[in-house]
Amino acid sequence: GAVVSQHPSWVICKSGTSVKIECRSLDFQATTMFWYRQFPKQSLMLMATSNEGSKATYEQGVEKDKFLINHASLTLSTLTVTSAHPEDSSFYICSARESSLETQYFGPGTRLLVL
Amino acid sequence: AQSVTQLDSHVSVSEGTPVLLRCNYSSSYSPSLFWYVQHPNKGLQLLLKYTSAATLVKGINGFEAEFKKSETSFHLTKPSAHMSDAAEYFCVVNTGFQKLVFGTGTRLLVSP
Repeated sequence: GAVVSQHPSWVICKSGTSVKIECRSLDFQATTMFWYRQFPKQSLMLMATSNEGSKATYEQGVEKDKFLINHASLTLSTLTVTSAHPEDSSFYICSARESSLETQYFGPGTRLLVL
Repeated sequence: AQSVTQLDSHVSVSEGTPVLLRCNYSSSYSPSLFWYVQHPNKGLQLLLKYTSAATLVKGINGFEAEFKKSETSFHLTKPSAHMSDAAEYFCVVNTGFQKLVFGTGTRLLVSP
């Protein structure tokens, strides 16, 4: 099956610093990638949708200047949490979709802890 | 708007007994529905999906789900639970704009 990786799996940073999370589709070309956020014991909430080569579309309430998304190639999307604060601590999960298929394949997630 | 409701936040079963995780959907048209499983601190794995073909969908690890339009349901079942099935299960609907909307999740607990 299709494999999506994320790096890093864990990151701890100081408040005010920026953190970059990578999402890669390993064996298929992902024209669309999605970024989700999951708080403890809660469901996944879609943050943004990114299409290769174009600007990301953010969901209502998600600050695009704080969560910078880049989808520069068909296999890589990055999420940068700028000037991170403790309330940004969460589990961030990406997913990727091939152009012709409906199914999204999820990465293993990145746990961010901001001190 | 498309949405899903998972009726149970927790389900407890004994190993070897049947599993039933309930999901009801709301959609103005024939939806695409999915079940995903998430093990602790892991990403999500697709169990199965319904996309308007056969109403009984078979997935991985012995799971299956039946799409019932009259009941707007898409319940997940497995004849015999295994300890390794203990996880969080999400019922998910495709909004039609390639966005997925997740249910609140059901935690499956399996006791020996």
